[in-house]
Amino acid sequence: QSALPQPASVSGSPGQSITISCTGTSSDVGGYNYVSWYQHHPGKAPKLMIYEVNNRPSGVSNRFSGSKSGNTASLTISGLQTEDEGDYYCSSYTSSSGAPVVFGGGTKLTVL
Amino acid sequence: QVQLQESGPGLVKPSQTLSLTCTVSGGSISSGDYYWSWIRQHPGKGLEWIGYIYFSGFYNPSLKSRVSISVDKSKNQFSLKLTSVTAADTAVYYCATDYGGYSRVDNWGQGTLVTVSS
Repeated sequence: QSALPQPASVSGSPGQSITISCTGTSSDVGGYNYVSWYQHHPGKAPKLMIYEVNNRPSGVSNRFSGSKSGNTASLTISGLQTEDEGDYYCSSYTSSSGAPVVFGGGTKLTVL
Repeated sequence: QVQLQESGPGLVKPSQTLSLTCTVSGGSISSGDYYWSWIRQHPGKGLEWIGYIYFSGFYNPSLKSRVSISVDKSKNQFSLKLTSVTAADTAVYYCATDYGGYSRVDNWGQGTLVTVSS
């Protein structure tokens, strides 16, 4: 089960916007609206930020938004803040490979 | 809000079985909402989905022959067993809940580091 490709790193300055991509296939990202995004600070539990492509759990800032086009999902963070720095992972439901869930490889966000 | 806490040995010898337990609080493991999940992160690497259980278990094909997940309703716990471990199984192991089983992992334990070494 291969991880969904994500850029290894992205960076931005406070107040700017950044977008992280998550590329899949028609068997996962492109075929279902079951893409989630997680924020992970080292040593802490990952936190669900977006589910079902563009839905925010209660308590998640509206600076975080999700979208999908074809086989690529994206997470956009607007108005970057220093506390946004960390690792971000996508996940998707998948009908391939015999396992229903696959994670992305992760993207390290640096807020300069 | 469901809270999860992993427990188990932090050190396992090669070829032995890794066994971890996740204690659920703030909700019932008999709830039909959640798929009870295990996810791991190798040192310096990304998240890897291990598997989850609803009425039956679903597992990562790369681990399928060695992994099993079970539920103990009387203790409100679920467990992970991984047999024939090697150093490649050294990782932080997280228990989690997947709401609906479609990769919406909304509750996570703090994670527990398991090192495989003699």
